Amino acid sequence: GEDVEQSLFLSVREGDSSVINCTYTDSSSTYLYWYKQEPGAGLQLLTYIFSNMDMKQDQRLTVLLNKKDKHLSLRIADTQTGDSAIYFCAEGFGYSTLTFGKGTMLLVSP
Amino acid sequence: NAGVTQTPKFRVLKTGQSMTLLCAQDMNHEYMYWYRQDPGMGLRLIHYSVGEGTTAKGEVPDGYNVSRLKKQNFLLGLESAAPSQTSVYFCASSYAGGPGGELFFGEGSRLTVL
Repeated sequence: GEDVEQSLFLSVREGDSSVINCTYTDSSSTYLYWYKQEPGAGLQLLTYIFSNMDMKQDQRLTVLLNKKDKHLSLRIADTQTGDSAIYFCAEGFGYSTLTFGKGTMLLVSP
Repeated sequence: NAGVTQTPKFRVLKTGQSMTLLCAQDMNHEYMYWYRQDPGMGLRLIHYSVGEGTTAKGEVPDGYNVSRLKKQNFLLGLESAAPSQTSVYFCASSYAGGPGGELFFGEGSRLTVL
């Protein structure tokens, strides 16, 4: 069955880079997503990557995809306290529903 | 610009009581979803709908029913609430599946079953 695994917690200092990792099992996944959840709010899409891409960059965000190892990472450059949130990795195939990981809580200290 | 609105935002029930959570979206989206979020479990899909008049089961459908009588509304019902249904419930909608179907989430409904 489909499974998405993430580490549960990451703590960094303001100004450092953050790297959040995710592994998935469904090799037929065609799209992989990163969603962000701030306290008391719903999830918001940060970025997504097609499975035929290795990397996608969007301002401070860099997504790396290793299809062979089924490993996805999200790098946040120059992390700010406002980046403190829970980050969810998700996979999808075609027009099916998404499978979410359990989320990684990122804590950014001043 | 309301987006996805969930009501109520908080509710306390006694075991065996029934209730309905309402989700409304004003973006003319075809797809709508109900998720529950529990500590250490992440987001799990309860039911979803790919259009008006359709519903489908997700990962954890037992104990819940849904209806999509109007395109803009998706209702989640609990006929006989159990303490295991204590959770934060999120509704989401999307125009379509795949990358063109970014999920837009409501702010959540916190339900406590005593």
